[in-house]
Amino acid sequence: EAGVAQSPRYKIIEKRQSVAFWCNPISGHATLYWYQQILGQGPKLLIQFQNNGVVDDSQLPKDRFSAERLKGVDSTLKIQPAKLEDSAVYLCASSLGHLAGDTQYFGPGTRLTVL
Amino acid sequence: GDSVTQMEGPVTLSEEAFLTINCTYTATGYPSLFWYVQYPGEGLQLLLKATKADDKGSNKGFEATYRKETTSFHLEKGSVQVSDSAVYFCALAASNYQLIWGAGTKLIIKP
Repeated sequence: EAGVAQSPRYKIIEKRQSVAFWCNPISGHATLYWYQQILGQGPKLLIQFQNNGVVDDSQLPKDRFSAERLKGVDSTLKIQPAKLEDSAVYLCASSLGHLAGDTQYFGPGTRLTVL
Repeated sequence: GDSVTQMEGPVTLSEEAFLTINCTYTATGYPSLFWYVQYPGEGLQLLLKATKADDKGSNKGFEATYRKETTSFHLEKGSVQVSDSAVYFCALAASNYQLIWGAGTKLIIKP
């Protein structure tokens, strides 16, 4: 079974530029998550989708971050404009459902450096 | 609110040593508990989980027991290998089903 795919793996941009990340979850997984992981910290949930609907985006900085999941499969996360503090690894994960015991499967992440 | 606290790293051990990484939690109700591992250059992957009190999760020689009385889920392995070097994260599934993560513990195994 193919895992969660993410691209690009690395991105370097200057502050105030825009950037987009792509995620393809495991086939059949209804729930998709975007996390931000700052060096030395655990992942922080940015947004959770159930199919193509948003379940929780309470920690998404909506003035600069946006995300969509068209057709309930692939998803993109965009940052516009980027700030220095956005430097982090952006992780995409998916799970069959959204219940407490459901295992989340993670992609390799995109390492973003904002200069 | 719900939270997870795990021991700070890095933890440095010699090969074949016994490993314990402490994890304690604060939560309402009975959350599911998880250990995830992140090998260098790779994504997070589930190592083991337990969904109710006294359950023991195990995988790849690692074990953790869900202790409700001490609100703990310590990770143990009897004999570590160099290939176990990684960052280990303890997490719980909160009442809204979202994962609450610890800060991670870096494990370094020396040959």
